Amino acid sequence: KNEVEQSPQNLTAQEGEFITINCSYSVGISALHWLQQHPGGGIVSLFMLSSGKKKHGRLIATINIQEKHSSLHITASHPRDSAVYICAISGSARQLTFGSGTQLTVLP
Amino acid sequence: GAVVSQHPSRVICKSGTSVKIECRSLDFQATTMFWYRQFPKQSLMLMATSNEGSKATYEQGVEKDKFLINHASLTLSTLTVTSAHPEDSSFYICSARDRAPQPYGYTFGSGTRLTVV
Repeated sequence: KNEVEQSPQNLTAQEGEFITINCSYSVGISALHWLQQHPGGGIVSLFMLSSGKKKHGRLIATINIQEKHSSLHITASHPRDSAVYICAISGSARQLTFGSGTQLTVLP
Repeated sequence: GAVVSQHPSRVICKSGTSVKIECRSLDFQATTMFWYRQFPKQSLMLMATSNEGSKATYEQGVEKDKFLINHASLTLSTLTVTSAHPEDSSFYICSARDRAPQPYGYTFGSGTRLTVV
């Protein structure tokens, strides 16, 4: 069993829809990360969180440490949000353990 | 914010030649650099971790003589793929951690798509 499980693997939405991507993990962590990988391959760090909730523009990330679960929400989705979203965890070793990613496609 | 500049973004080389990929941290000191490899439709696979001024730590199954990593300064780490073969064709990306706490923890380069012909 992978330490980081993401769902769904693929998600297609219409422009304007509210989107949720889920991430569960099975080990203790120091932080959880949400990353965005564009079609060209570049990766952008969206959030690093260890508790509670963070918001940046239309993106919201939440984490429940007790339940070992995190969600990434996108409000008012737009075609430019189309990308692969990756959940990753970091622990004392500092290296990241990645989920398998969620391919999001937002249709106009 | 923190930026890691990775070059080249694309490279095509002949079998048997070597290719060097550079990652530079532009506005912070990258005490630790992680090198990843990614195959199409797959997740990132950690190849090695390097700390400035010391030898890299390679993950199991990664040939250290084939993938040479140098982290000679706090702003530059390089990955050299030696005697490249077609099976080395892949997407390579680096990620750096700053000495100081950063809002996002890790900053990624833009990646290098290597094609060995």
